[in-house]
Amino acid sequence: AQTVTQSQPEMSVQEAETVTLSCTYDTSESDYYLFWYKQPPSRQMILVIRQEAYKQQNATENRFSVNFQKAAKSFSLKISDSQLGDAAMYFCAYRRRSSGGGADGLTFGKGTHLIIQP
Amino acid sequence: DGGITQSPKYLFRKEGQNVTLSCEQNLNHDAMYWYRQDPGQGLRLIYYSQIVNDFQKGDIAEGYSVSREKKESFPLTVTSAQKNPTAFYLCASSIGLRAGYTFGSGTRLTVV
Repeated sequence: AQTVTQSQPEMSVQEAETVTLSCTYDTSESDYYLFWYKQPPSRQMILVIRQEAYKQQNATENRFSVNFQKAAKSFSLKISDSQLGDAAMYFCAYRRRSSGGGADGLTFGKGTHLIIQP
Repeated sequence: DGGITQSPKYLFRKEGQNVTLSCEQNLNHDAMYWYRQDPGQGLRLIYYSQIVNDFQKGDIAEGYSVSREKKESFPLTVTSAQKNPTAFYLCASSIGLRAGYTFGSGTRLTVV
């Protein structure tokens, strides 16, 4: 079974600074997808960024970028120029590319609570 | 606008009662999912359905049941067999493996 580990229960960063959230995963699959989701106090889950494992280039979405290290099974999220609205729980998630043979769906880490200091 | 609607937002259940959480989507997505979220536990998969009239157990299906009679609807019933039902429940849908999920806004269930 796949597992996703977020080793930082809570992180704090000053507004306008850069912060990196860590995520590692365990899988025997070679092709899969990785995601970062944001859950603000409203508890609405919002997709931040996705990475396809067969792509070597790291995904980027505006101030959000990832550092994908496939051999190390690491998928960290970097947030540049942190803003107060970035304060939320962040979840790393894994999904294998092929369906069938076991439970489908995203496997989530336990989350990192990001605090933005004004 | 397309999206997923979960209702009610808050639900209270007495011990021994069954309750049903609603999830409706107008995104024309084939796959739908139910997750449970507890503090410090992340999201855990309860049930999922990839097509109408078919659904599969996830990691924590005991004490729950679902149906998928229409593409748009995937209701979750929390039965009296679920010993610790107090949690936040999230419904999601997906158009394909690559796309990730679109989530509803959730239902907070409390046992009183």
